[in-house]
This record gives sequence, structure tokens and C-alpha cells, in this order.
Amino acid sequence: SSDLTQDPAVSVALGQTVTITCQGDSLRNYFPSWYQQKPGQAPVLIIFAKNNRPSGITDRFSASTSGNTASLTITGAQAEDEADYYCNCRDRYGDQLIFGGGTKLTVL
Amino acid sequence: QVHLQQWGAGQLKPSETLSLTCVVYSGSLSDYYWSWIRQSPGKGLEWIGEINHSGITHYNPSLASRVTISVDTSKDQFSLKLNSVTAADTAVYYCARRDYGFWSGSHYYFYYMDVWDKGTTVTVS
Repeated sequence: SSDLTQDPAVSVALGQTVTITCQGDSLRNYFPSWYQQKPGQAPVLIIFAKNNRPSGITDRFSASTSGNTASLTITGAQAEDEADYYCNCRDRYGDQLIFGGGTKLTVL
Repeated sequence: QVHLQQWGAGQLKPSETLSLTCVVYSGSLSDYYWSWIRQSPGKGLEWIGEINHSGITHYNPSLASRVTISVDTSKDQFSLKLNSVTAADTAVYYCARRDYGFWSGSHYYFYYMDVWDKGTTVTVS
């Protein structure tokens, strides 16, 4: 099986742009999905496919993938964007799904 | 609007079997896979496994020896059993709907979980 690697923590000043990355071999074959999780709440899907947002998700979130690295960009970060963010995709070596370790985003 | 609701025992002793059931409301089990995910206290998300309406399953290799996921289409529900639990299985357990697609321009598949329940805490002690 393979892994997805994320930076444990990232910070951004209010209103600025921040990128959260996810690295792994499986990203050469699968677009990841991205989830936002706030304390005490279930994860929420924010990005899927190449760069699709479910209905109701702000367009401050966007994503891209190149080689073995996927990026989630938050443009004009707001206080409510402070949360944990997880990437997820199918493992290129099997049928299982894999999660990155998560990135804790702090909005300063 | 599809929503999920799970139920099951929240307190277990070591060596017992964890048993959770997730009911699908306002939707059908067909056309999707149905996943279980867990999150240990202070840790990240861990995918446990999934099943479709035909009973085809995929499991996390690290848990496969202890996990069974089943489906009951007559009741629109799917279930998780995890045997021989230890304190390490203490976590919030989520059920979710999993969909997938193919991006022809890049020849990439994509998988995503778009509907989640609120989660249930299971404590092994």
C-alpha cells in the first residue's frame, strides 16, 4: 500500500492565501478528495475530482494536482476556515482508500 | 436529501466485538459504495472499509483480519463488525457514502465521500 503525506500544521494571516499540500504515489493515478473537519464535527467534502466543489462550498477553495503532489488552495482565508484538512484517494496498489495525516490550519 | 444515521454499542470491553449499523434515509444503496471511517482521539481519519449493494467489499489491509462489513438492502442499511477490540479501537466511527468518477481529460479516476453521518463514539475499556 502507499501513503499520503501532509504537513501537520500550516498558518495563514486573515485574508491571505494559503496552500495545503498532499504527496503520494497514488496521486499519479487518482485525483484526491479534500475534507474540512472542525472540532467535534464530522468531516465535510470540499473538493473532489480535478477541482469540483459540492453545492454550498465556498469558491475560496480550489485544488490542483501535478505528479505526485496535490494542493488545496484557500484564497482570502477567513476565520471560519480554521480547521483540519484531509486529502483522500484510492491506493494505486489496491482497492483501499487512504487518507493523508491531516493538516491543521490556523488563521492568524 | 440523503442522510445517514448510525447506531450501536458505545462502550465495549477488550476482546468484545464492535457492532455498528448505518441506515440510509431518503436514498438508495444502489449505485454507491458505503464506507466506514474512524478517528482515534486527537488523531487523523482512518478508512476502515466499504461495501456496495451487491455485497462487494474492500477493506483496509491493516484491519481486514478483524473487520466484516455487510449490507441489508431490504432495510437500506449496512453494518460494521470489528472483533477482538482493544483500547486502540477507541474512536469516533463514521459511516459515509462513497462515489467515484473518471476524468477523461487526464485519464484519472477520482473517489469521494460526499455524505457523512455525525459519528458515534466507541470506547473500549
